[in-house]
Amino acid sequence: EIVMTQSPATLSVSPGERATLSCRASQSVNSNLAWYQQKPGQSPRLLIYGASTRATGIPARFSGSGSGTEFTLTISGLQSEDFAVYYCQQYNHWPPCTFGPGTKVDIK
Amino acid sequence: EVQLVESGGGLVKPGGSLRLSCAASGFTFSSYTMNWIRQAPGKGLEWVSSISSSSSYLYYADSVKGRFTISRDNAKKSLYLQMNSLRVEDTAVYYCARVPLGASNWFDPWGQGTLVTVSS
Repeated sequence: EIVMTQSPATLSVSPGERATLSCRASQSVNSNLAWYQQKPGQSPRLLIYGASTRATGIPARFSGSGSGTEFTLTISGLQSEDFAVYYCQQYNHWPPCTFGPGTKVDIK
Repeated sequence: EVQLVESGGGLVKPGGSLRLSCAASGFTFSSYTMNWIRQAPGKGLEWVSSISSSSSYLYYADSVKGRFTISRDNAKKSLYLQMNSLRVEDTAVYYCARVPLGASNWFDPWGQGTLVTVSS
């Protein structure tokens, strides 16, 4: 089973600033990585798949990069609605597909 | 509008059973692979099970294998999760989620979830 790790656990950012979230896989997952956003009391929402392709309706301030074992989600110009928990998920080696533990982005 | 609505959650004693349902609308349900994913209170996401469009392929997490059964009824546009021999550690919000056509196994969209609480 591929183990996903995310850092940092919590990221404090001021509105308008850039947030950089990291995700690491225990072995290569090629570009088979997705990112999700989850706000309190809501279900997760797909942001990115294929490591760098934005899902339908996702603003351009969200961007993904990386391949192999190292991935990054960048949120440029954080807006109030972006404060949430972000999860990465690999789907290269499944079952099982596995999620990272999440990074909480909160207001500085 | 694509919609997934889960139901069937509730309080059950350890060793008990529960059947979750997910009603789909707004898309051709019979064409899509579907999944169950759960989230324990205050915790992260855990993939539970997957079923292909025609039910030919079924997959389970090791943590639920032999206790949970995924199924679907394409005529009713519904996904199910039969959960037997429930344990305290199965307590979670259970989400159903669709795999986009042509995708591998990422999930979009997700339902709102249904809470399963296993407690004596």
